[in-house]
Amino acid sequence: DAGITQSPRHKVTETGTPVTLRCHQTENHRYMYWYRQDPGHGLRLIHYSYGVKDTDKGEVSDGYSVSRSKTEDFLLTLESATSSQTSVYFCAIRADGADTQYFGPGTRLTVL
Amino acid sequence: DQQVKQNSPSLSVQEGRISILNCDYTNSMFDYFLWYKKYPAEGPTFLISISSIKDKNEDGRFTVFLNKSAKHLSLHIVPSQPGDSAVYFCAASPNAGGTSYGKLTFGQGTILTVHP
Repeated sequence: DAGITQSPRHKVTETGTPVTLRCHQTENHRYMYWYRQDPGHGLRLIHYSYGVKDTDKGEVSDGYSVSRSKTEDFLLTLESATSSQTSVYFCAIRADGADTQYFGPGTRLTVL
Repeated sequence: DQQVKQNSPSLSVQEGRISILNCDYTNSMFDYFLWYKKYPAEGPTFLISISSIKDKNEDGRFTVFLNKSAKHLSLHIVPSQPGDSAVYFCAASPNAGGTSYGKLTFGQGTILTVHP
């Protein structure tokens, strides 16, 4: 298994509060991705990173920001959580020159 | 605009029979395709992939077929086993060989249930 961990694994928060999800890898891979999974939508890309301090928006980036200050960590922040951001969030990593992304175990976030 | 579609939300098959999961795409720039399997409360697990220069790729019980003219791919599982019961996602990328940022576009998923 690829060395990817996500924390926390579960979180319940209230509307309007800030939330940060962490993705940590031990593979030293260049590329990291954040997806959300919702019924009827599959997985949708939120943001991705192609190196330290190099990030870009994905398909559903509104309301989310990311940071990558170290190769191994990719943080996803909801500045002011809304109920529409209730979802399961997955982090993925990919090695430079490879084709396959490997996923972490996910974080289930509930915004009340 | 759903660029990758899995039109069957669910599929039920008997153990030992063939499972066929289908996926259609609309973006002609996609040239690398992957299938992932997902169990409840776990992350997606890579299963098999195919580049657009091929029309078939096989790995044990799993075979992926690609029909570029129809923009259609399918995953065949033979023989199906109860442990194959999971959600299956197809995904597409515009570049093979990892030369781009490798962003994936996923289908909605198909729930496969294999009955003993």
